[in-house]
Amino acid sequence: AQSVAQPEDQVNVAEGNPLTVKCTYSVSGNPYLFWYVQYPNRGLQFLLKYITGDNLVKGSYGFEAEFNKSQTSFHLKKPSALVSDSALYFCAVPGAGSYQLTFGKGTKLSVIP
Amino acid sequence: DAGVIQSPRHEVTEMGQEVTLRCKPISGHDYLFWYRQTMMRGLELLIYFNNNVPIDDSGMPEDRFSAKMPNASFSTLKIQPSEPRDSAVYFCASSPTRAGTGEQYFGPGTRLTVT
Repeated sequence: AQSVAQPEDQVNVAEGNPLTVKCTYSVSGNPYLFWYVQYPNRGLQFLLKYITGDNLVKGSYGFEAEFNKSQTSFHLKKPSALVSDSALYFCAVPGAGSYQLTFGKGTKLSVIP
Repeated sequence: DAGVIQSPRHEVTEMGQEVTLRCKPISGHDYLFWYRQTMMRGLELLIYFNNNVPIDDSGMPEDRFSAKMPNASFSTLKIQPSEPRDSAVYFCASSPTRAGTGEQYFGPGTRLTVT
């Protein structure tokens, strides 16, 4: 079964510093990988996806993610964190059906002013 | 575009009562998903539809849960009878085939509390 793991329940970073939210994957074949963000009391929002091609994927709100096949990782990054980036971040991989997703357990990002 | 619309936003009910959650997907989207989110279990896919037809309901926890999609613009998730362990936030999401795999648009959720 295809799965993702988010090893950190919470990440704290100071405003203006670079941030990284970690995700590792276990998939067969070529992986499709996704990041979603959930702001408080809101539904999830799509941030970015990796299908194929460049290992560095750019997404919404200045976020990017680096695909690393040798380390089976897909870490989410941003060069300079904003307080407004504080949210819950989910890594995801397609499930049994091609259009469904299996989400990681989520990582809570807190950006400290 | 109004996005995915869910109603009600909050529902408080007593154990044993029937609960119906509603979802209006984005017009033109042919996939619809129902999720449940809890602190303990995270985000779980309950069921999803393609062109109003249920494709995979293996995530539906038990027979007390049922979902329907009578037309392209409306879906319901029903719990009968409800139990306290059903308390969670329920999300509906939709996706167009043209977006490719995985790009889903989520509604704001319904927070269900069963006492």
